[in-house]
Amino acid sequence: ETGVTQSPTHLIKTRGQQVTLRCSSQSGHNTVSWYQQALGQGPQFIFQYYREEENGRGNFPPRFSGLQFPNYSSELNVNALELDDSALYLCASSSLFKGQQTKKNIQYFGAGTRLSVL
Amino acid sequence: GQSLEQPSEVTAVEGAIVQINCTYQTSGFYGLSWYQQHDGGAPTFLSYNALDGLEETGRFSSFLSRSDSYGYLLLQELQMKDSASYFCAVGYNFNKFYFGSGTKLNVKP
Repeated sequence: ETGVTQSPTHLIKTRGQQVTLRCSSQSGHNTVSWYQQALGQGPQFIFQYYREEENGRGNFPPRFSGLQFPNYSSELNVNALELDDSALYLCASSSLFKGQQTKKNIQYFGAGTRLSVL
Repeated sequence: GQSLEQPSEVTAVEGAIVQINCTYQTSGFYGLSWYQQHDGGAPTFLSYNALDGLEETGRFSSFLSRSDSYGYLLLQELQMKDSASYFCAVGYNFNKFYFGSGTKLNVKP
């Protein structure tokens, strides 16, 4: 049990729709990262939020956007859904401080949201 | 970009030792991590190497050689519950991770 919760657990949408996924980070963690995991593949880094600001982005188009709130929970928004967006979406939280080199980086993952786009 | 390669599937028997390799084509990362993921579950942290050499954590050990762009996860005294997918990942500043495609480990009685 990592203390990271995601909602909903499952979601079915149709192509062209918009979706919002939610993540509550572990208590005391200030950083949330989002990943997309296609079936049989490793998680792919979408972006990271640190203290309510985007702090790095992977190779995903702008229709993937996010927010982090003052309590460090986070949302992932995907607009204009495509069939290829069907995947497990994972969030992971950690506790980091800028200016401090990370010696041992452990991310705590939620169980994910399974998104199906029809 | 980052490229991490792992065998897609490995099978071993209960009680045995298995090694899962990870070769990579990237640089400038802080460390190599290993995560375990059971079907339908969340990835969970297993081990981390910031420096070259062996790190041991109970039945799991991990190794890194930056000069060879290579690492591995060693699982000893395999148990049925170790059947899962295992991912290597490189970590950059502020925990930006890039994962390999994963190795499915099947443990047989």
